[in-house]
Amino acid sequence: GEEVAQTPKHLVRGEGQKAKLYCAPIKGHSYVFWYQQVLKNEFKFLISFQNENVFDETGMPKERFSAKCLPNSPCSLEIQATKLEDSAVYFCASSQNRINEKLFFGSGTQLSVL
Amino acid sequence: SQKIEQNSEALNIQEGKTATLTCNYTNYSPAYLQWYRQDPGRGPVFLLLIRENEKEKRKERLKVTFDTTLKQSLFHITASQPADSATYLCALEGTNAGKSTFGDGTTLTVKP
Repeated sequence: GEEVAQTPKHLVRGEGQKAKLYCAPIKGHSYVFWYQQVLKNEFKFLISFQNENVFDETGMPKERFSAKCLPNSPCSLEIQATKLEDSAVYFCASSQNRINEKLFFGSGTQLSVL
Repeated sequence: SQKIEQNSEALNIQEGKTATLTCNYTNYSPAYLQWYRQDPGRGPVFLLLIRENEKEKRKERLKVTFDTTLKQSLFHITASQPADSATYLCALEGTNAGKSTFGDGTTLTVKP
């Protein structure tokens, strides 16, 4: 497709429950990035992929967060045992070439942990 | 530690004036700097990219400058319109980095 598709738009979980977010990058884009936006603007990098390989995971909380990009499937970001502080908008972005092509962002998934 | 600062959380200007937004960084050697626009409830949208060896880039009413000595980028919107009201984010990436690092953004309001 011609846009980054993120699902679901909204996700509500009780503390301790699992949350799984999905991202379909633009067709032909090799790189996928996940960002977390907490509060109004603070953008935190989580992880990036080159095709199905992890490219940079320096922002990923090691214990409860995991992510995958498998061939012929949407990429996913999974949070085990969600905490209140995980409440945020999670954005996925894709780019054709990493070397600073512009990023195309999806509309985000609003995760609310109650 | 690496830090990116964008001037004032909010900027209010009158329609027709030039808006100037600032992005300062420390402990960083970016190869590229980008500016994005974000509207409420939406993901950021790319506006302009400038490389470390470029001083200035223009696109229609937008102009970006990049001063690697001052470690600063300025983003200008000339003849501003109420439709320009949004949050503007700068993002930096190093040559070998696998990610872009974003500033906290500046929310611009253009009043008619």
